Amino acid sequence: DGGITQSPKYLFRKEGQNVTLSCEQNLNHDAMYWYRQDPGQGLRLIYYSQIVNDFQKGDIAEGYSVSREKKESFPLTVTSAQKNPTAFYLCASSTPRNSYEQYFGPGTRLTVT
Amino acid sequence: QQQVKQSPQSLIVQKGGISIINCAYENTAFDYFPWYQQFPGKGPALLIAIRPDVSEKKEGRFTISFNKSAKQFSLHIMDSQPGDSATYFCAASNSGGGSTLGRLYFGRGTQLTVWP
Repeated sequence: DGGITQSPKYLFRKEGQNVTLSCEQNLNHDAMYWYRQDPGQGLRLIYYSQIVNDFQKGDIAEGYSVSREKKESFPLTVTSAQKNPTAFYLCASSTPRNSYEQYFGPGTRLTVT
Repeated sequence: QQQVKQSPQSLIVQKGGISIINCAYENTAFDYFPWYQQFPGKGPALLIAIRPDVSEKKEGRFTISFNKSAKQFSLHIMDSQPGDSATYFCAASNSGGGSTLGRLYFGRGTQLTVWP
């Protein structure tokens, strides 16, 4: 089955710790995206990447970092600098030509206390 | 600044009724207007999309109406069913070009509840 996997589904961390969220896709898509979802806020773009070893900041990149060493993988690190990290994080991918048609993973719910 | 404004925030409809969700945008460079459906605990999935040179697109019970001059578009769900209960997001896309990757701008979402 082709798709996007995110792990783990639930993640708990103590304040002050960095945490890395995994995102893997086997759709052979070049473009990958990270979104943050909060109630009533919609989906806000954190980072996106068009190609391996290249990525751009989205609207709310502060306190986050990413890497794109492989086409299939786009991990997101939530650093201790992120002031309000508790949220639902969604990874997506698309072909660059059809960026409006994004395929989403099941999400990771991160809780920081 | 919210690039795409969506209303209402929540909507309750009786089974068999029509659900209508509205969105508005300002940037005339947007070239695709998709709608995504999200069930609790899941990632969103593309439901239907329209280009700005088309005024209406229908897929089964779902129809997008697009008004280019007013910069508004809406989703109509005919014969709404309890299984349609979900959060719906409108979005607008700029395709980018060359070395620039296109991206989506999402509305804040509408939580639809269809009562049996």
